[in-house]
Amino acid sequence: GENVEQHPSTLSVQEGDSAVIKCTYSDSASNYFPWYKQELGKRPQLIIDIRSNVGEKKDQRIAVTLNKTAKHFSLHITETQPEDSAVYFCAAGIYNFNKFYFGSGTKLNVKP
Amino acid sequence: GAVVSQHPSRVICKSGTSVKIECRSLDFQATTMFWYRQFPKQSLMLMATSNEGSKATYEQGVEKDKFLINHASLTLSTLTVTSAHPEDSSFYICSAPDGTNYGYTFGSGTRLTVV
Repeated sequence: GENVEQHPSTLSVQEGDSAVIKCTYSDSASNYFPWYKQELGKRPQLIIDIRSNVGEKKDQRIAVTLNKTAKHFSLHITETQPEDSAVYFCAAGIYNFNKFYFGSGTKLNVKP
Repeated sequence: GAVVSQHPSRVICKSGTSVKIECRSLDFQATTMFWYRQFPKQSLMLMATSNEGSKATYEQGVEKDKFLINHASLTLSTLTVTSAHPEDSSFYICSAPDGTNYGYTFGSGTRLTVV
């Protein structure tokens, strides 16, 4: 099955700085890579996703890059704000199989 | 937007008893739902895929006789933790494809504590 690794486990940045979270996956058949944000005690919320047919996607302060050859993808958050503080999970899977595997999570702390 | 309602949000049960968790898709039909568990400060672990009208598909290492899944209708999937033990204490959360392009909606989660 798919194995998703995520780094770092914790990340502290100053407000306004950028944050980068990286994930690798093992199954070359994976074609969909969503990122979720989970605030304490709440359900995960999809923040951005990317399909295997594109290398980069951007939505305001958030961007995701994908390198299929190297099997890694990254989340980039620019101009971080305290409300960005949360745990972020990457995931990988094959959409048609409706099955996704999650990374171990990154706790992001944005210091005001 | 699409909503998945999950109940109960919290449950405390005695060791040896069974607990049922429900997930309902409120405004869309879900032929498939996914069940995850999350230990404190850890990631979501896929437990099983619930399929309407057929048997659930369990991930390797997940005991199907312990975690019974029923998907009797297009809007309801249930997870029953049978003969619960303290090590089953965890956060259980469901999700379903919501019909949008690659969209999945998560339930609010159930925190199970077995004493």
